[in-house]
Parts: sequence; C-alpha cells; structure tokens
Amino acid sequence: AQKVTQAQTEISVVEKEDVTLDCVYETRDTTYYLFWYKQPPSGELVFLIRRNSFDEQNEISGRYSWNFQKSTSSFNFTITASQVVDSAVYFCALSDPSGNTGKLIFGQGTTLQVKP
Amino acid sequence: DAGVIQSPRHEVTEMGQEVTLRCKPISGHDYLFWYRQTMMRGLELLIYFNNNVPIDDSGMPEDRFSAKMPNASFSTLKIQPSEPRDSAVYFCASSSGTEAFFGQGTRLTVV
Repeated sequence: AQKVTQAQTEISVVEKEDVTLDCVYETRDTTYYLFWYKQPPSGELVFLIRRNSFDEQNEISGRYSWNFQKSTSSFNFTITASQVVDSAVYFCALSDPSGNTGKLIFGQGTTLQVKP
Repeated sequence: DAGVIQSPRHEVTEMGQEVTLRCKPISGHDYLFWYRQTMMRGLELLIYFNNNVPIDDSGMPEDRFSAKMPNASFSTLKIQPSEPRDSAVYFCASSSGTEAFFGQGTRLTVV
C-alpha cells in the first residue's frame, strides 16, 4: 500500500531562519511521482513541485529547494531565509501507480508558522 | 486561464437537505478530481473522471454522494441527504496528466 508520512505536525521559526519539512513515502512501485503543495491561510492548494522517481537531482527554485533520496524514500523540502508569507500548511503527496498524477495520496501536512 | 473554479465558496445547509457543489476545470484538462479535506482524515480522493467518464469512485463514502461530469467544462458533486459528518472542505482539481491544479474549495457546513 502507498503511504506518505509527514512526521512534523507543526513547526515554528523566526523570519530568516532556514527550515526543512520532512516527507517519507512508501510504495512498491518503481515508477511514481512525488509532489509538494502549499495551503496558505486562504485555503487553496498551490502546486509547488513534481518529481518523478527516476530523477534524483535536487531542485532549487528561489528560496525553495527539494532533496529527493530514493535510498531513504524521502522527499524533503527546505525553505531558505523563511518569510512570514511562507506561513502555511505544506503537503507532500505521492501519485497512484497508474501514473495518473492527479490521483494523489497526501500526507497529513506540516503547519509552518514563520514569526516576524 | 482563470484556474479551476468552484462554487459556492461556502455552503451552510440543514441536515437532510440536498447539496450540490460545482466545478469548472481548466480548459483543455482531461482529468477532473473531487477531494475532501477534514481534520480527521486529511485530504482524500472521492472520485475522478477522464474525458468526462468516471474512472474511480472508490473514495465516495456512501450512496448519498454522487458526481457527474456532463461535459468537459463542468462537474457536480451532490450529497443527498446531507449529514453533519459531511461537513468538510471539498476541492475540485483538474489535470492534463502532469500535476493537478486545485480550485479554492467549497467549505460545507451541515447543521
């Protein structure tokens, strides 16, 4: 069975600190996709990144970076120099084995609070 | 494109009433998904469509829930009769086969 675990329920940091959100997944499939979504206080779900199981290169987008390690089944998300606007709930998700990347299994989410 | 559009944004209804949630996917997307978010269960997939055809409805909690997609630009999720435990945020999402884009959700409260 597929499963996504985000062990950190809540994280609180002070602005400008770096913060890493952990994501561990379980799947028996060799082909799959991993995602991160952001849910700000306004409630919508915002797509951040998609990564396929064959691409273990780390990715950086501005202050955001992602570290994918198949050996540990982890797909961690780091925010560098956090800002108050980063305060949100962040979800890690895994796609269904069919390859349909909209059919997602979500983790329980990590609430990030960035204090000024 | 305006993104995935859901209506209404908020709905308060009395137990036993019929509730209909609406979704307009992103033009050109051939997959449409309905998700539900609750504190207890998190985000869970209810049903999804491909080219307007329901593919997997195994997440629909019970027969009180039904979903339709009469055309490529419109879908509905109906609950009849509604119960207090149906209170949740319902998200619609669409995809062209890569990442899914979500609407702003409908917050449903059944009293």
